[in-house]
Amino acid sequence: NAGVTQTPKFQVLKTGQSMTLQCAQDMNHNSMYWYRQDPGMGLRLIYYSASEGTTDKGEVPNGYNVSRLNKREFSLRLESAAPSQTSVYFCASSEGQARINEQFFGPGTRLTVL
Amino acid sequence: GQSLEQPSEVTAVEGAIVQINCTYQTSGFYGLSWYQQHDGGAPTFLSYNALDGLEETGRFSSFLSRSDSYGYLLLQELQMKDSASYFCALTTGGFKTIFGAGTRLFVKA
Repeated sequence: NAGVTQTPKFQVLKTGQSMTLQCAQDMNHNSMYWYRQDPGMGLRLIYYSASEGTTDKGEVPNGYNVSRLNKREFSLRLESAAPSQTSVYFCASSEGQARINEQFFGPGTRLTVL
Repeated sequence: GQSLEQPSEVTAVEGAIVQINCTYQTSGFYGLSWYQQHDGGAPTFLSYNALDGLEETGRFSSFLSRSDSYGYLLLQELQMKDSASYFCALTTGGFKTIFGAGTRLFVKA
C-alpha cells in the first residue's frame, strides 16, 4: 500500500498562474484533508471532506478550491496564485471515526509563488 | 471557533521525562490528538484521547481532561531521535481538525 500520495513534490509558479495539487489514498478512508504549513508554524486546515461527495471550508479557504473526485482522490486548486500562498501543502486522510481520528499524511508539496 | 495553545519550545536531557501541555478552547469535540513531525518530514500520528484519562503507547502517553480543557503528551526515556516538533489537534464535528502551533522539543546529550 502506498498510503497517501501527493503530486507534484515541488512546484514554482508565477503570480497569477493556476495549478492543481493532486492527492490520492489507497486505505479506503472516508475523510480527507488539505493543510498548509508555513515555516516554523503549525498546520492550518484549508478544506476538508468528511466523506465522498462532501467538502467544507477549514480555517484558511480563501484563494483555494477543492474537488473530492471519488473516495480515493481529493484535489486542491489555486486559481490565481499569490506569493502569500508560498507554503508546504499536506494532504491527509482518516477513517473518519469519532473513537479515533488517526490521520495519515502525504509527503507534502513544496510550493513557491514568485 | 476553536483554538489550542502549547509552549513553543521545550528542552530536556536524554533519558529524562518531558511533558508537553496543550490547552484548548472549543464548544465541543470528538477527541484530542498528538502528532510528531521531524524537520522536512510529514506529521505522524502518536496518540488520540476520545475520553478523559491516560492513553499509553510505549514510551509515549497522552492525557485529556475535558473539565479543565487541557491535555498533555508525556515522553519517557527520551532519545535524541525524539527531537522534533509535536502538535496537539482537536477533532470536531464533521471530523474537522484544528492543529496547535506546535512545540519544538530539543533533546540534549
